[in-house]
Amino acid sequence: EVQLVESGGGLVQPGGSLRLSCAASGFTFSSYRMSWVRQVPGKGLEWVANVKEDGNDKNYVDSVKGRFTISRDNAKNSLFLQMNSLRDEDTAMYYCARERGRFVYWFDRWGQGTLVTVSS
Amino acid sequence: EIVMTQSPATLSVSPGERATLSCRASQSVSSNLAWYQQQPGQAPRLLIYGASTRATGIPARFSGSGSGTEFTLTISSLQSEDFALYYCQQYNNWPRTFGQGTKVEIK
Repeated sequence: EVQLVESGGGLVQPGGSLRLSCAASGFTFSSYRMSWVRQVPGKGLEWVANVKEDGNDKNYVDSVKGRFTISRDNAKNSLFLQMNSLRDEDTAMYYCARERGRFVYWFDRWGQGTLVTVSS
Repeated sequence: EIVMTQSPATLSVSPGERATLSCRASQSVSSNLAWYQQQPGQAPRLLIYGASTRATGIPARFSGSGSGTEFTLTISSLQSEDFALYYCQQYNNWPRTFGQGTKVEIK
């Protein structure tokens, strides 16, 4: 069974840092692109970042460029999101999502999310 | 950035009736459109990809149609578990973008 389990969320002050993790199981992690998608409580979904299978190609939404870094450890079946210079508007539930497709990719599996709250 | 606009924001439907949800893209996304269902307190679940292909395990009462800029998700006969939030998402261009969602509620 495919499982994605996020961790690392919590309360952090503006300007602070946080590192999110996503533990994957039930599939060959190194064969899939992976993304982080966030959702402000009670609001819609926003794709944040993705990383290719080998970890060498990454993409980010403009609002997090230069502040967030996505990475993966295929040996440990894990996905990460290093978040620096956090802002109030980064407060959200952060989901880890597996991508599926060929040439274009959709999100076929999601974790349950980890909540990040940025507040003083 | 491609803006995805869903309508209506809320759809009130009786169990057993048909629900039709719309999604419009600000520019063509070809057929690179997915639909997700989200229950309260849960993660989104993939329903449809490629505008019309049901994901594994999704009941046949869910169907998707459209291409270019206009898309539709139809639920042919609403079951109790179908009352939820539904999001469309384009994956044709960067950044991937979602609609704001349609809430399907019990009438």
